[in-house]
Amino acid sequence: DAGVTQSPTHLIKTRGQQVTLRCSPKSGHDTVSWYQQALGQGPQFIFQYYEEEERQRGNFPDRFSGHQFPNYSSELNVNALLLGDSALYLCASSPGRNGRGGNEQFFGPGTRLTVL
Amino acid sequence: AQSVTQLDSQVPVFEEAPVELRCNYSSSVSVYLFWYVQYPNQGLQLLLKYLSGSTLVKGINGFEAEFNKSQTSFHLRKPSVHISDTAEYFCAVSAGAGNNRKLIWGLGTSLAVNP
Repeated sequence: DAGVTQSPTHLIKTRGQQVTLRCSPKSGHDTVSWYQQALGQGPQFIFQYYEEEERQRGNFPDRFSGHQFPNYSSELNVNALLLGDSALYLCASSPGRNGRGGNEQFFGPGTRLTVL
Repeated sequence: AQSVTQLDSQVPVFEEAPVELRCNYSSSVSVYLFWYVQYPNQGLQLLLKYLSGSTLVKGINGFEAEFNKSQTSFHLRKPSVHISDTAEYFCAVSAGAGNNRKLIWGLGTSLAVNP
């Protein structure tokens, strides 16, 4: 089992560009959550996908959007990039609908996004 | 509103010494509690979790934590640390009802184990 995988590992973009990050959940997991972790900070919840729909959302603008595919993999899209979007973006998967409760979340290694 | 406070941003310690990383939370509803570790340039790995039952929880790599409801704390301890324990440690609390449960994160504690 490869666990949670994310691509790419690193990415450099300029302000105003758009970016797509990808995540494949751990085998058997159907819920995917995305987090933004700025340098020296804890993870900030962006949103969670289950059954191909956004189920919960954190305090992030509409520039942040996502998608979940029938095989449970997920994408995070960020439009009109700002310098402040530079961060480590983490994907976490969990089994079941209420993955943010008692179910453990398994994290991928993250994608390091740098916006210049 | 729920919140998580990790009382120490940095904890330096010598190898083989004991360590305690402190975590306090505020919540008016039942909680699940987690400690995650993040090694440099890696994602987060679960160390241990408290869902119910015994308040003393044992995790991986020799770590343990005790849930203290009256103190609203969930401090992480290890009796003897290794150089390899150098990492960022995050306390997280899951609180709320049903599908409105949220995972709230502390800002992290940087553990530096020195020889």
